Amino acid sequence: GAGVSQSPRYKVAKRGQDVALRCDPISGHVSLFWYQQALGQGPEFLTYFQNEAQLDKSGLPSDRFFAERPEGSVSTLKIQRTQQEDSAVYLCASRIRRDTEAFFGQGTRLTVV
Amino acid sequence: EDKVVQSPLSLVVHEGDTVTLNCSYEVTNFRSLLWYKQEKKAPTFLFMLTSSGIEKKSGRLSSILDKKELFSILNITATQTGDSAIYLCAGGATSGTYKYIFGTGTRLKVLA
Repeated sequence: GAGVSQSPRYKVAKRGQDVALRCDPISGHVSLFWYQQALGQGPEFLTYFQNEAQLDKSGLPSDRFFAERPEGSVSTLKIQRTQQEDSAVYLCASRIRRDTEAFFGQGTRLTVV
Repeated sequence: EDKVVQSPLSLVVHEGDTVTLNCSYEVTNFRSLLWYKQEKKAPTFLFMLTSSGIEKKSGRLSSILDKKELFSILNITATQTGDSAIYLCAGGATSGTYKYIFGTGTRLKVLA
């Protein structure tokens, strides 16, 4: 596609509910990142894929967070048993190679009530 | 621990002013410094800098990197209300995943 596409744009979840956030990267982009951005903060790294391989998940805050990219294209970030502190904007980014700039999607704003 | 620090945290100027945004970094195996503009949610790419002392320009925006002093600046001349946004700086490393470490951002507001 022309740009990185994320869905849904907004998600309100009740505490304890599971959510799934989708990212459709730019076609042909090998690298894919997930970032979490809390209000007033810069994006914080969550996880990184190169094709279908998850090479770095050091930023995932707990085992309630899980990400996959099974065919090396679309990626899903899943959060189980959501808690209030999970409320944030979740940004997905892709890049064509390791040493190039990344392009971001519009993000998903998750609000846990 | 790797970190990127931006200053000032916020800035209010009038249209036509020139602004300079600062970014200092401590990134292990540093490779590149990136600037993004964030309006609403999606950060949009501005510049990627890998070499010291070489200015990159795009219209009224320009940026330069100093790898000896570990900082970068983003200049915006003749500011317009459309420049109002959060400007994010990120450091990228050569090792591992080449992930980017972001600063907190500088919130710029340009008044008409």
